[in-house]
Amino acid sequence: DAKTTQPPSMDCAEGRAANLPCNHSTISGNEYVYWYRQIHSQGPQYIIHGLKNNETNEMASLIITEDRKSSTLILPHATLRDTAVYYCIARGGSNYKLTFGKGTLLTVNP
Amino acid sequence: NAGVTQTPKFRVLKTGQSMTLLCAQDMNHEYMYWYRQDPGMGLRLIHYSVGEGTTAKGEVPDGYNVSRLKKQNFLLGLESAAPSQTSVYFCASRMSGGGETQYFGPGTRLLVL
Repeated sequence: DAKTTQPPSMDCAEGRAANLPCNHSTISGNEYVYWYRQIHSQGPQYIIHGLKNNETNEMASLIITEDRKSSTLILPHATLRDTAVYYCIARGGSNYKLTFGKGTLLTVNP
Repeated sequence: NAGVTQTPKFRVLKTGQSMTLLCAQDMNHEYMYWYRQDPGMGLRLIHYSVGEGTTAKGEVPDGYNVSRLKKQNFLLGLESAAPSQTSVYFCASRMSGGGETQYFGPGTRLLVL
């Protein structure tokens, strides 16, 4: 799986959009980008994933650049409950596993 | 639908003792995983299973054994616990096919003295 790089921490004001970047410059054509988050002391939670096109669900939007070397997870209206560590993972097609890095600690401030 | 459950929630062991952590899922998932998470670190894969009766090593398998005798259960065993195995253990499961959307349990906190 391709290596991903994320900033260690970010802050966001409550009610504003949170934009979390991820660099995956060595991603290959069959690797998806997955985003998970982990609220303190809980098990990780799946958020969204994508291959080429932008994706949106009830939790977030995922914007992948045309060259697929980076992506951005967008939480459109961050709340205090969105404070968590967010993990960006590139996962290959035949690989059964996810490799978690250290992620980005997003702190949503009132 | 309970999802993924883990037993126990918390345990204290002495060095050299053994124990088994139980993971159960009621979603009929084929794949199951055991991870550990140390303070300030991401999750590291210990062992995983792609179906009943199968197991495979992950990133950090030493000191652990696993069994998947029933599709819904995945057991993680520590034969002789060491302080280095103090950690939070997470179990996860997912369907076969359809990507890598894993569902995680609430975790088991293990302290080895």
